[in-house]
Amino acid sequence: NAGVTQTPKFQVLKTGQSMTLQCAQDMNHEYMSWYRQDPGMGLRLIHYSVGAGITDQGEVPNGYNVSRSTTEDFPLRLLSAAPSQTSVYFCASRPLGGAQTNYGYTFGSGTRLTVV
Amino acid sequence: AQKVTQAQTEISVVEKEDVTLDCVYETRDTTYYLFWYKQPPSGELVFLIRRNSFDEQNEISGRYSWNFQKSTSSFNFTITASQVVDSAVYFCALSENSNSGYALNFGKGTSLLVTP
Repeated sequence: NAGVTQTPKFQVLKTGQSMTLQCAQDMNHEYMSWYRQDPGMGLRLIHYSVGAGITDQGEVPNGYNVSRSTTEDFPLRLLSAAPSQTSVYFCASRPLGGAQTNYGYTFGSGTRLTVV
Repeated sequence: AQKVTQAQTEISVVEKEDVTLDCVYETRDTTYYLFWYKQPPSGELVFLIRRNSFDEQNEISGRYSWNFQKSTSSFNFTITASQVVDSAVYFCALSENSNSGYALNFGKGTSLLVTP
């Protein structure tokens, strides 16, 4: 099925460990982004990308790295996990153009990460 | 500064009651987009509506209706004759060109509980 696929769905890390959250979409969307959701905080933008080779920081980028080598994939890397990164992470994509007409974000199903 | 304010943290209603979820936004852009998303207990984000800044027409979709008023910077969401299945967290979001290429800026959400 077309859409945004996130893996894994659940992950437990120890403090200091590294890992990569995967996000892939098959809709040829140029724009991809990562959000984290914390209780009572809504969703906050971590990083985003407007196309392969182009990334930029969002509201809460510290502790996370991203890269965009292909249109389809936008992985999120935690280099040294901290308990403060315990959260639910959502990846979202959309077409870059057509902002004046119909466009919409497609969200993945989320990754629930616990750092102990 | 919070750009999207959802002042109601939690609302509890009895089935068949009408309920309105408030959303107030802040932007200096003339072109922007407003969204509502539903997050049921299963955790996925479900798109409900997108409205652009040039279209102030109210919209009705079944039991759902939205009231967009630029004069008060509000985009309120009403559920008529609520049902238990409406129990979820509802997010209002703003998308503007001046913010990370039309990234979604979410409110903190309103948790709606509908009891039988």
